[in-house]
Amino acid sequence: DQQVKQNSPSLSVQEGRISILNCDYTNSMFDYFLWYKKYPAEGPTFLISISSIKDKNEDGRFTVFLNKSAKHLSLHIVPSQPGDSAVYFCAASAATGTASKLTFGTGTRLQVTL
Amino acid sequence: EPEVTQTPSHQVTQMGQEVILRCVPISNHLYFYWYRQILGQKVEFLVSFYNNEISEKSEIFDDQFSVERPDGSNFTLKIRSTKLEDSAMYFCASSETRTALQFFGPGTRLTVL
Repeated sequence: DQQVKQNSPSLSVQEGRISILNCDYTNSMFDYFLWYKKYPAEGPTFLISISSIKDKNEDGRFTVFLNKSAKHLSLHIVPSQPGDSAVYFCAASAATGTASKLTFGTGTRLQVTL
Repeated sequence: EPEVTQTPSHQVTQMGQEVILRCVPISNHLYFYWYRQILGQKVEFLVSFYNNEISEKSEIFDDQFSVERPDGSNFTLKIRSTKLEDSAMYFCASSETRTALQFFGPGTRLTVL
């Protein structure tokens, strides 16, 4: 059951350049999308989110783009910094039920090199 | 800044034993969750909890699992009879509203021998 997919297990980017992390989903009921960053032996840390009524959300160096027709979202990090090196998870939720569970992708390991 | 805390950070147990994983969600949050991540795999939803009852549970959350909010601050996950395949990182999360973003704790690494 891969409702959220991150097809690139890893990505290497030079410091100062743009990092683009991609995520695809299949469930059209998803209406809220989040990106989490995770370091080893730590819990996921929230980065940025986007509601399905928007197509872009920006927060400092991080921008998330949502293409609903393609069921695709991406996270842009500009400029990339060495401290951004971590595993990035895309997650989605649907406004059904009492509490919204998150469905996670498999993650993309970002390595920012000097 | 408020954060979700979890204890213990690492729990080692023998197969068949009961374990209780503890979480203290952010104080004004009303929705609570447990997720797990088996090594090398993605983070998977286990259960959500609101108003002192389970809202939703996944197929993983079978009769061996239970959750409880024994007091105003703690949220626990109990595994009655652990199996080898229960070895994973278990993350607690909480959110202020149903559709708000979820804040995660640092996790408990459960090792079943």
